[in-house]
Amino acid sequence: DTGVSQNPRHKITKRGQNVTFRCDPISEHNRLYWYRQTLGQGPEFLTYFQNEAQLEKSRLLSDRFSAERPKGSFSTLEIQRTEQGDSAMYLCASSSTRGTDTQYFGPGTRLTVL
Amino acid sequence: EDQVTQSPEALRLQEGESSSLNCSYTVSGLRGLFWYRQDPGKGPEFLFTLYSAGEEKEKERLKATLTKKESFLHITAPKPEDSATYLCAVQALPGSARQLTFGSGTQLTVLP
Repeated sequence: DTGVSQNPRHKITKRGQNVTFRCDPISEHNRLYWYRQTLGQGPEFLTYFQNEAQLEKSRLLSDRFSAERPKGSFSTLEIQRTEQGDSAMYLCASSSTRGTDTQYFGPGTRLTVL
Repeated sequence: EDQVTQSPEALRLQEGESSSLNCSYTVSGLRGLFWYRQDPGKGPEFLFTLYSAGEEKEKERLKATLTKKESFLHITAPKPEDSATYLCAVQALPGSARQLTFGSGTQLTVLP
């Protein structure tokens, strides 16, 4: 069990560019979540997958954001036409329906939009 | 709408000075209440899950308790390595929703 991994750990981009982040969940975890965290705040839910199906999506999530989990394993989060307000830590978590369904978080990807 | 409020926002303790962090919540129905620890620049680290009022869980110097409206994280004889932000989150009933709603956290500093 190597934990949740996320890449890249840091991303600096210019306003208007597209960015993509990757999350590899704990092996055999069938649920995967994306959250966003800004300084001084708790994580805010973005979207959630069970296997390859996207089951929940925050009403606050702009249509510039899209997430995929094509084979029910790793997931990608893409932000199109980035804005300065997108600067945040993007966190991925995974859980298993077998057992307590506790969400375990990765180290996050820090996005800075200039 | 589910809401989680944590207090205080920041807490400074001397090493060995015990204290408690508070998490007040409002949900239509509670599936579980979670405590996480977060170090600067890192992802949250799972500590505890509580499911029903009256439940208590312990881990080293930490003890979490749950009532119908709030949860407390008691820290007994803290050490400098306990310095971190402690996050509380709720997972609500009913339905298939699994997302966590977090509070803003309590930033704990333990001075040697």
